[in-house]
Amino acid sequence: AQSVTQPDIHITVSEGASLELRCNYSYGATPYLFWYVQSPGQGLQLLLKYFSGDTLVQGIKGFEAEFKRSQSSFNLRKPSVHWSDAAEYFCAVGYGNEKLTFGTGTRLTIIP
Amino acid sequence: SAVISQKPSRDICQRGTSLTIQCQVDSQVTMMFWYRQQPGQSLTLIATANQGSEATYESGFVIDKFPISRPNLTFSTLTVSNMSPEDSSIYLCSVEAAGFIEAFFGQGTRLTVV
Repeated sequence: AQSVTQPDIHITVSEGASLELRCNYSYGATPYLFWYVQSPGQGLQLLLKYFSGDTLVQGIKGFEAEFKRSQSSFNLRKPSVHWSDAAEYFCAVGYGNEKLTFGTGTRLTIIP
Repeated sequence: SAVISQKPSRDICQRGTSLTIQCQVDSQVTMMFWYRQQPGQSLTLIATANQGSEATYESGFVIDKFPISRPNLTFSTLTVSNMSPEDSSIYLCSVEAAGFIEAFFGQGTRLTVV
């Protein structure tokens, strides 16, 4: 069965610093890959997605992610974080009509 | 895309009672999903709400506890029945819209059972 691993439960970075959130998946084929963000008390908002083509995808709010097939990874990056980026981030995978599988999430804290 | 309105946004309920959560979408969608997010946890799929037929439940979830209705292509409800404190969670409605591979989510319902 497919699985998604987000090895970092909680990350703290300084405002203005760079950010990388890790995501690894286990799947029989290259799945669709997603990053969602959940601000406190809110639902999930899609940051970016990958399903084919260029392995570096750009998303909203200045985020990007790179798909690396050899490493089964889809890490999320941002060159300079803002205080408003503090939230929970979820990596998810799916394929075709199959249900999405979510990682356990990474909570991001921003310090001044 | 799809815009989802979920009601109520939060509620505090007595144990033993039931709560019905509504999910309204601004366009017709085939697939609607209900998720549970327990405190500090990731999302767990409860069931897929099918229009015109019974919902499809995931392992560990049963219709008697989480009855679901899907009367048309834009609306669904999830009822949490005979609640206990262990049901305290965020419940999220999600849809897949035609032409999109991603899922869209409502704002969630934060349920506290006391």
